[in-house]
Amino acid sequence: DQQVKQNSPSLSVQEGRISILNCDYTNSMFDYFLWYKKYPAEGPTFLISISSIKDKNEDGRFTVFLNKSAKHLSLHIVPSQPGDSAVYFCAAYTNFNKFYFGSGTKLNVKP
Amino acid sequence: DTGVSQDPRHKITKRGQNVTFRCDPISEHNRLYWYRQTLGQGPEFLTYFQNEAQLEKSRLLSDRFSAERPKGSFSTLEIQRTEQGDSAMYLCASSPQGLAKNIQYFGAGTRLSVL
Repeated sequence: DQQVKQNSPSLSVQEGRISILNCDYTNSMFDYFLWYKKYPAEGPTFLISISSIKDKNEDGRFTVFLNKSAKHLSLHIVPSQPGDSAVYFCAAYTNFNKFYFGSGTKLNVKP
Repeated sequence: DTGVSQDPRHKITKRGQNVTFRCDPISEHNRLYWYRQTLGQGPEFLTYFQNEAQLEKSRLLSDRFSAERPKGSFSTLEIQRTEQGDSAMYLCASSPQGLAKNIQYFGAGTRLSVL
């Protein structure tokens, strides 16, 4: 059963515009959420996270929003840059030390 | 570079052979995770160590799979009698204790191809 879902396999955005990546989850026990970025031939790298007690966390150009009632989180990148082109994974965590990852969204930022 | 190191980067083997992968985590990290990633999917949790203790195993980890972390430092993942369905990227990640425990640092992975 896929507890974390990213329904958009790909997204294309013009440089300078906003990129919005979405993620849905089913398990209300998740208490921590993360976004990872992955370039080809590299492992995923941590980008930003949010605790379930918050609804927003911001770090520079990256903002993560959490809507617990809808079991939905999103990552906003403003402004988008060509170097942001990568695959983005959302992940969710419970206190049982297991992380669940979505299937990823491939972002292409066009110059 | 003191990141997570995985060896080998690529492994090609014939069906039925045994393979072993190694992961060296970031030195001060006591938590170590193994994941499997297939094409078009995200990483799937396989197993988790805290120091040398294996505390969690996924049902994906059949009896052909075994993982060890004998001294709480590096870890090995062995697959016995490999099958074509084992072809995937195997990722290792580590995380520290304390408040940052939820942030995992990943290696570049070992890509396994079973012919």
